[in-house]
Amino acid sequence: NAGVTQTPKFQVLKTGQSMTLQCAQDMNHNSMYWYRQDPGMGLRLIYYSASEGTTDKGEVPNGYNVSRLNKREFSLRLESAAPSQTSVYFCASSGTGTAAYEQYFGPGTRLTVT
Amino acid sequence: DQQVKQNSPSLSVQEGRISILNCDYTNSMFDYFLWYKKYPAEGPTFLISISSIKDKNEDGRFTVFLNKSAKHLSLHIVPSQPGDSAVYFCAAKETGAGSYQLTFGKGTKLSVIP
Repeated sequence: NAGVTQTPKFQVLKTGQSMTLQCAQDMNHNSMYWYRQDPGMGLRLIYYSASEGTTDKGEVPNGYNVSRLNKREFSLRLESAAPSQTSVYFCASSGTGTAAYEQYFGPGTRLTVT
Repeated sequence: DQQVKQNSPSLSVQEGRISILNCDYTNSMFDYFLWYKKYPAEGPTFLISISSIKDKNEDGRFTVFLNKSAKHLSLHIVPSQPGDSAVYFCAAKETGAGSYQLTFGKGTKLSVIP
């Protein structure tokens, strides 16, 4: 039981390049989330998916797109990377009922845009 | 406008003593609160939570207290151990918010000195 996995762990992009961050969970959770964490900041929600087939914007969605490929996988795409997107990105998932509030996080992807 | 505030960026405590981490919030619609612990280069892990209908929740060495009138919660760790050294995030969920979105504070770095 791996929990939440993210690939890649590290990535360096040049301004204008595109890339997709991958996330998968094996806990049969309905909801999945993408956050970013910047130095001195808390985690800020980029996008979330309440269930397979649905996605919604979070607090900071500009410059990102997401795809809920199936119940297990939720990807985050940067179409044209900018230095302001340099951050650590975390994927998370949660179940149902009261447990839905308890999100399980992956190890993160450290992205640098030059 | 920060809705969840952790005003102490860092805290140092002697091993065996009590650690008290504080969190204030401004949104009266928050009805569920969580604490997450984060080690370097890892994702946050869920620690303990409390519903707004309670004023205390205890789990082993960890206790969370909620003072709704003051819009304040605190996490007590007794006794503190060196392995507790990490960044602690306070998070809150809004009543009726779709898909269990969480709002995070900026975190408090706890150092437990042996």
